[in-house]
Amino acid sequence: DAKTTQPNSMESNEEEPVHLPCNHSTISGTDYIHWYRQLPSQGPEYVIHGLTSNVNNRMASLAIAEDRKSSTLILHRATLRDAAVYYCILISYNTDKLIFGTGTRLQVFP
Amino acid sequence: KAGVTQTPRYLIKTRGQQVTLSCSPISGHRSVSWYQQTPGQGLQFLFEYFSETQRNKGNFPGRFSGRQFSNSRSEMNVSTLELGDSALYLCASSLGVPKNIQYFGAGTRLSVL
Repeated sequence: DAKTTQPNSMESNEEEPVHLPCNHSTISGTDYIHWYRQLPSQGPEYVIHGLTSNVNNRMASLAIAEDRKSSTLILHRATLRDAAVYYCILISYNTDKLIFGTGTRLQVFP
Repeated sequence: KAGVTQTPRYLIKTRGQQVTLSCSPISGHRSVSWYQQTPGQGLQFLFEYFSETQRNKGNFPGRFSGRQFSNSRSEMNVSTLELGDSALYLCASSLGVPKNIQYFGAGTRLSVL
Protein backbone atom coordinates (compact mmCIF):
# COMPACT_ATOMS: atom_id res chain seq x y z
CA ASP A 1 0.00 0.00 0.00
CA ALA A 2 1.31 3.42 -0.97
CA LYS A 3 2.31 5.57 1.99
CA THR A 4 1.81 9.27 2.67
CA THR A 5 3.78 11.64 4.90
CA GLN A 6 2.23 14.67 6.56
CA PRO A 7 3.36 17.10 9.27
CA ASN A 8 2.01 16.20 12.69
CA SER A 9 0.47 19.57 13.34
CA MET A 10 -0.11 23.00 11.88
CA GLU A 11 -1.58 26.24 13.15
CA SER A 12 -3.53 29.00 11.48
CA ASN A 13 -5.44 32.11 12.38
CA GLU A 14 -9.07 32.45 11.47
CA GLU A 15 -9.80 33.77 7.97
CA GLU A 16 -6.26 33.08 6.79
CA PRO A 17 -5.47 30.54 4.05
CA VAL A 18 -4.04 27.20 5.10
CA HIS A 19 -1.83 24.97 2.99
CA LEU A 20 -1.62 21.38 4.23
CA PRO A 21 1.16 19.41 2.50
CA CYS A 22 1.34 15.70 1.78
CA ASN A 23 4.19 13.67 0.32
CA HIS A 24 3.46 10.43 -1.53
CA SER A 25 6.60 9.57 -3.42
CA THR A 26 5.56 5.93 -4.01
CA ILE A 27 2.25 6.78 -5.65
CA SER A 28 1.28 4.58 -8.59
CA GLY A 29 -0.44 5.63 -11.78
CA THR A 30 -3.83 4.30 -10.67
CA ASP A 31 -3.82 5.88 -7.20
CA TYR A 32 -6.24 8.68 -6.46
CA ILE A 33 -5.28 11.28 -3.85
CA HIS A 34 -8.03 11.69 -1.28
CA TRP A 35 -8.30 14.03 1.68
CA TYR A 36 -10.51 13.37 4.67
CA ARG A 37 -10.80 15.23 7.93
CA GLN A 38 -11.96 14.17 11.34
CA LEU A 39 -13.54 16.69 13.66
CA PRO A 40 -13.51 15.97 17.38
CA SER A 41 -15.89 13.16 18.38
CA GLN A 42 -16.97 12.50 14.80
CA GLY A 43 -16.20 10.00 12.07
CA PRO A 44 -13.94 11.10 9.20
CA GLU A 45 -15.47 13.35 6.56
CA TYR A 46 -14.57 13.42 2.87
CA VAL A 47 -13.02 16.70 1.76
CA ILE A 48 -11.74 16.36 -1.79
CA HIS A 49 -9.94 14.02 -4.17
CA GLY A 50 -8.05 14.14 -7.46
CA LEU A 51 -5.92 12.14 -9.84
CA THR A 52 -3.68 14.46 -11.84
CA SER A 53 -5.28 17.86 -12.21
CA ASN A 54 -5.93 20.45 -9.53
CA VAL A 55 -9.44 20.25 -8.12
CA ASN A 56 -11.77 22.71 -6.41
CA ASN A 57 -14.96 22.22 -4.46
CA ARG A 58 -16.96 24.20 -1.94
CA MET A 59 -14.78 23.01 0.95
CA ALA A 60 -11.26 23.27 -0.40
CA SER A 61 -8.82 23.10 -3.29
CA LEU A 62 -6.37 20.33 -4.07
CA ALA A 63 -3.12 21.16 -5.80
CA ILE A 64 -1.27 18.15 -7.22
CA ALA A 65 2.38 18.32 -8.23
CA GLU A 66 3.18 17.56 -11.85
CA ASP A 67 5.05 14.37 -10.91
CA ARG A 68 2.20 13.47 -8.47
CA LYS A 69 4.67 12.81 -5.66
CA SER A 70 3.15 15.48 -3.48
CA SER A 71 -0.07 17.39 -3.06
CA THR A 72 -1.42 20.31 -1.02
CA LEU A 73 -4.85 20.77 0.46
CA ILE A 74 -5.78 24.44 0.49
CA LEU A 75 -8.39 25.90 2.81
CA HIS A 76 -8.91 29.37 1.45
CA ARG A 77 -10.18 30.99 4.63
CA ALA A 78 -9.83 28.94 7.77
CA THR A 79 -12.65 29.01 10.29
CA LEU A 80 -12.77 27.65 13.82
CA ARG A 81 -14.88 24.78 12.46
CA ASP A 82 -11.96 23.69 10.29
CA ALA A 83 -9.98 22.61 13.35
CA ALA A 84 -9.59 18.88 12.80
CA VAL A 85 -7.16 16.13 11.88
CA TYR A 86 -6.61 16.08 8.12
CA TYR A 87 -5.68 12.82 6.41
CA CYS A 88 -4.09 12.48 2.99
CA ILE A 89 -4.80 9.01 1.58
CA LEU A 90 -3.95 7.20 -1.62
CA ILE A 91 -6.64 4.92 -3.00
CA SER A 92 -6.34 2.58 -5.93
CA TYR A 93 -9.21 3.06 -8.39
CA ASN A 94 -10.50 -0.50 -7.90
CA THR A 95 -10.86 -0.60 -4.11
CA ASP A 96 -12.55 1.25 -1.27
CA LYS A 97 -9.79 0.43 1.17
CA LEU A 98 -8.52 3.53 3.00
CA ILE A 99 -5.10 3.40 4.61
CA PHE A 100 -4.94 6.27 7.09
CA GLY A 101 -1.62 7.76 8.20
CA THR A 102 -1.24 9.86 11.32
CA GLY A 103 -2.63 12.95 9.64
CA THR A 104 -2.08 16.65 10.39
CA ARG A 105 -3.80 18.18 13.39
CA LEU A 106 -4.86 21.69 12.36
CA GLN A 107 -5.43 24.27 15.06
CA VAL A 108 -7.26 27.46 14.16
CA PHE A 109 -7.00 30.47 16.42
CA PRO A 110 -9.52 33.33 16.58
CA LYS B 1 -31.17 11.26 2.74
CA ALA B 2 -30.19 9.51 5.95
CA GLY B 3 -26.50 9.09 6.66
CA VAL B 4 -24.63 6.01 7.78
CA THR B 5 -26.15 4.66 10.97
CA GLN B 6 -24.21 2.60 13.47
CA THR B 7 -25.71 0.82 16.43
CA PRO B 8 -25.20 0.74 19.27
CA ARG B 9 -23.30 3.98 19.92
CA TYR B 10 -21.72 2.70 23.11
CA LEU B 11 -21.04 -0.77 24.38
CA ILE B 12 -19.37 -2.20 27.46
CA LYS B 13 -18.26 -5.82 27.50
CA THR B 14 -15.94 -7.99 29.55
CA ARG B 15 -12.95 -9.99 28.40
CA GLY B 16 -13.85 -13.24 26.69
CA GLN B 17 -17.27 -12.12 25.56
CA GLN B 18 -18.24 -11.55 21.97
CA VAL B 19 -19.87 -8.52 20.40
CA THR B 20 -21.78 -7.70 17.22
CA LEU B 21 -21.88 -4.20 15.79
CA SER B 22 -24.30 -3.06 13.12
CA CYS B 23 -24.03 -0.61 10.24
CA SER B 24 -26.76 0.65 7.94
CA PRO B 25 -25.26 2.34 4.88
CA ILE B 26 -26.66 5.27 2.94
CA SER B 27 -29.52 4.14 0.71
CA GLY B 28 -28.18 2.94 -2.61
CA HIS B 29 -24.63 2.40 -1.37
CA ARG B 30 -23.38 -1.12 -1.97
CA SER B 31 -19.95 -0.94 -0.40
CA VAL B 32 -19.38 -1.00 3.35
CA SER B 33 -16.01 -0.76 5.06
CA TRP B 34 -15.07 -1.08 8.73
CA TYR B 35 -12.27 0.67 10.61
CA GLN B 36 -10.89 0.54 14.13
CA GLN B 37 -9.63 3.72 15.78
CA THR B 38 -7.47 3.71 18.90
CA PRO B 39 -5.25 6.42 20.38
CA GLY B 40 -2.16 4.27 19.89
CA GLN B 41 -2.71 2.85 16.40
CA GLY B 42 -4.91 5.49 14.84
CA LEU B 43 -7.41 4.52 12.15
CA GLN B 44 -6.91 1.01 10.82
CA PHE B 45 -8.78 -0.74 8.05
CA LEU B 46 -10.61 -3.91 9.09
CA PHE B 47 -12.50 -5.13 6.02
CA GLU B 48 -14.59 -4.08 3.07
CA TYR B 49 -17.73 -5.65 1.66
CA PHE B 50 -19.35 -5.14 -1.70
CA SER B 51 -22.52 -6.90 -2.78
CA GLU B 52 -22.29 -9.36 0.15
CA THR B 53 -18.70 -10.35 -0.69
CA GLN B 54 -15.62 -9.48 1.30
CA ARG B 55 -13.40 -7.63 -1.13
CA ASN B 56 -10.52 -6.56 1.10
CA LYS B 57 -9.30 -7.47 4.56
CA GLY B 58 -6.92 -5.68 6.88
CA ASN B 59 -4.31 -7.16 9.16
CA PHE B 60 -6.48 -8.24 12.07
CA PRO B 61 -6.79 -11.64 13.75
CA GLY B 62 -9.55 -14.06 12.83
CA ARG B 63 -11.51 -13.01 15.92
CA PHE B 64 -12.67 -10.08 13.83
CA SER B 65 -15.22 -11.01 11.21
CA GLY B 66 -17.95 -9.38 9.25
CA ARG B 67 -20.72 -9.92 6.79
CA GLN B 68 -23.00 -7.98 4.53
CA PHE B 69 -26.64 -8.68 3.83
CA SER B 70 -28.56 -8.39 0.58
CA ASN B 71 -29.87 -4.96 1.63
CA SER B 72 -26.23 -3.81 2.05
CA ARG B 73 -26.49 -3.59 5.83
CA SER B 74 -23.39 -4.94 7.48
CA GLU B 75 -22.39 -6.42 10.81
CA MET B 76 -19.02 -7.00 12.33
CA ASN B 77 -18.36 -9.48 15.09
CA VAL B 78 -15.49 -9.71 17.54
CA SER B 79 -15.18 -12.93 19.48
CA THR B 80 -13.21 -13.63 22.65
CA LEU B 81 -12.79 -9.95 23.43
CA GLU B 82 -9.47 -8.66 24.74
CA LEU B 83 -8.74 -5.43 26.59
CA GLY B 84 -6.93 -4.15 23.50
CA ASP B 85 -10.12 -4.36 21.47
CA SER B 86 -11.40 -1.27 23.25
CA ALA B 87 -11.75 1.24 20.46
CA LEU B 88 -14.04 3.33 18.30
CA TYR B 89 -15.33 1.17 15.45
CA LEU B 90 -16.28 3.14 12.38
CA CYS B 91 -18.31 2.05 9.41
CA ALA B 92 -18.23 3.79 6.04
CA SER B 93 -20.34 3.31 2.94
CA SER B 94 -19.85 4.28 -0.66
CA LEU B 95 -21.44 3.70 -4.01
CA GLY B 96 -18.52 1.46 -4.78
CA VAL B 97 -15.76 1.73 -7.27
CA PRO B 98 -14.77 3.83 -9.01
CA LYS B 99 -16.53 6.52 -6.98
CA ASN B 100 -14.53 5.71 -3.82
CA ILE B 101 -15.88 8.57 -1.72
CA GLN B 102 -16.70 7.10 1.63
CA TYR B 103 -19.25 8.41 4.11
CA PHE B 104 -18.60 7.56 7.71
CA GLY B 105 -20.95 6.91 10.57
CA ALA B 106 -20.42 8.31 14.06
CA GLY B 107 -19.02 5.00 15.25
CA THR B 108 -19.58 2.54 18.05
CA ARG B 109 -17.38 3.01 21.09
CA LEU B 110 -16.55 -0.36 22.58
CA SER B 111 -15.06 -0.64 26.04
CA VAL B 112 -13.73 -4.02 27.17
CA LEU B 113 -13.30 -4.41 30.91
